[in-house]
Amino acid sequence: SYELSQPPSVSVSPGRTATITCSGDKLGDRYACWYQQKPGQSPVLLIYQDSKRPSGIPERFSGSNSGNTATLTISGTQAMDEADYYCHTWDGSAEVVFGGGTKLTVL
Amino acid sequence: QVQLQESGAGLVKPSETLSLTCTVSGGSISSYYFSWIRQPAGKGLEWIGRIYSSGSATYNPSLRSRVTMSIDTSKNRLSLKVRSVTAADTAVYYCAKTEPSLSAFDIWGQGTMVTVSS
Repeated sequence: SYELSQPPSVSVSPGRTATITCSGDKLGDRYACWYQQKPGQSPVLLIYQDSKRPSGIPERFSGSNSGNTATLTISGTQAMDEADYYCHTWDGSAEVVFGGGTKLTVL
Repeated sequence: QVQLQESGAGLVKPSETLSLTCTVSGGSISSYYFSWIRQPAGKGLEWIGRIYSSGSATYNPSLRSRVTMSIDTSKNRLSLKVRSVTAADTAVYYCAKTEPSLSAFDIWGQGTMVTVSS
């Protein structure tokens, strides 16, 4: 079965750029999405189709996907960005695969 | 704007069947895929399965033998049943809508906590 790997945690200073990776075999050949989940809340779609932002998502969130790695970049990270981040793709059978999640700490 | 609301029993005994409903408001249930996704406390997201408005369903292979999803387009509702539950099925259960043009879960319900315990 297809698997996605994310680092369990990433730390960033306020105002700096945070990078969260998601790795999977030839992931660049598939669409990747990213979700943000704050404690006690439902996940929110941040990025779809590798790099597109839904309306209402700040421009500081961006995504890319190439080779075996999809990347979520948060520019000018703010304290409010502290959350768990999950990547998602679809495997060959159109089944859903989630990464294990990355806890972003802003300190 | 479509909204999703999960509901159902919050406490289920081991070996029994977990039953949840997701009510869709603010739009038609037609032409979308809806998934059930769960999250044990402190852990990541696990996809349970997906159903289309036609009733066609696809399940996570790891849960396929115990899961049934159905959809009632006349009531704008979908349902999830998980049979023979154990403590490992304790989780927050979400329903989420897939916008086909986005290939992503663009709308999530608020989630409902289900505890499996005697």
